[in-house]
Amino acid sequence: GAGVSQTPSNKVTEKGKYVELRCDPISGHTALYWYRQSLGQGPEFLIYFQGTGAADDSGLPNDRFFAVRPEGSVSTLKIQRTERGDSAVYLCASSDPGQAQFFGPGTRLTVL
Amino acid sequence: AQSVAQPEDQVNVAEGNPLTVKCTYSVSGNPYLFWYVQYPNRGLQFLLKYITGDNLVKGSYGFEAEFNKSQTSFHLKKPSALVSDSALYFCAVRDMNTGKLIFGQGTTLQVKP
Repeated sequence: GAGVSQTPSNKVTEKGKYVELRCDPISGHTALYWYRQSLGQGPEFLIYFQGTGAADDSGLPNDRFFAVRPEGSVSTLKIQRTERGDSAVYLCASSDPGQAQFFGPGTRLTVL
Repeated sequence: AQSVAQPEDQVNVAEGNPLTVKCTYSVSGNPYLFWYVQYPNRGLQFLLKYITGDNLVKGSYGFEAEFNKSQTSFHLKKPSALVSDSALYFCAVRDMNTGKLIFGQGTTLQVKP
């Protein structure tokens, strides 16, 4: 596709529920990144994929967060037992190795 | 640890005047630096990057940035601001091992007619 796409654009859920956020990177980009942006803050790194494998998951806040990229393209960020503090905009970016990252429009997650 | 600081929460400029949005960094080794812009309810858009070479980097929409190693700064500039430049601007440094970006807190640019 022309750019990085993310679905859904908005997700409202209740505390304790499970959610999945999807990212479609730019075709051919091998690197994929997830970030989380809270209101008034800069994006914070969550996890990085090079191909199918998670090369760096040091930014995941706890074991309720998990992400996969089984075929080296689309990635899904999964959050179990959501908490109100998980409310944020979740951003996905992709790049060629060593090049600038291009971001999707984000998924705004609201946990009630 | 690598870090980026944007000392101004907001910058106000009149249309047609030059603008500067400040960024300083702290890294070990040579920095890879980036500027992104974020419009309301939109994702981040890449403006420009410094990897190596000329200290003055030109980017999208008439923006440029000056890398200053002695002052560890990478300020964003534009000779003549437009009202449409009003947005949130982020400076970032890239982690040399993983490529993840470490962002500053952001600076809101307000250009008034």
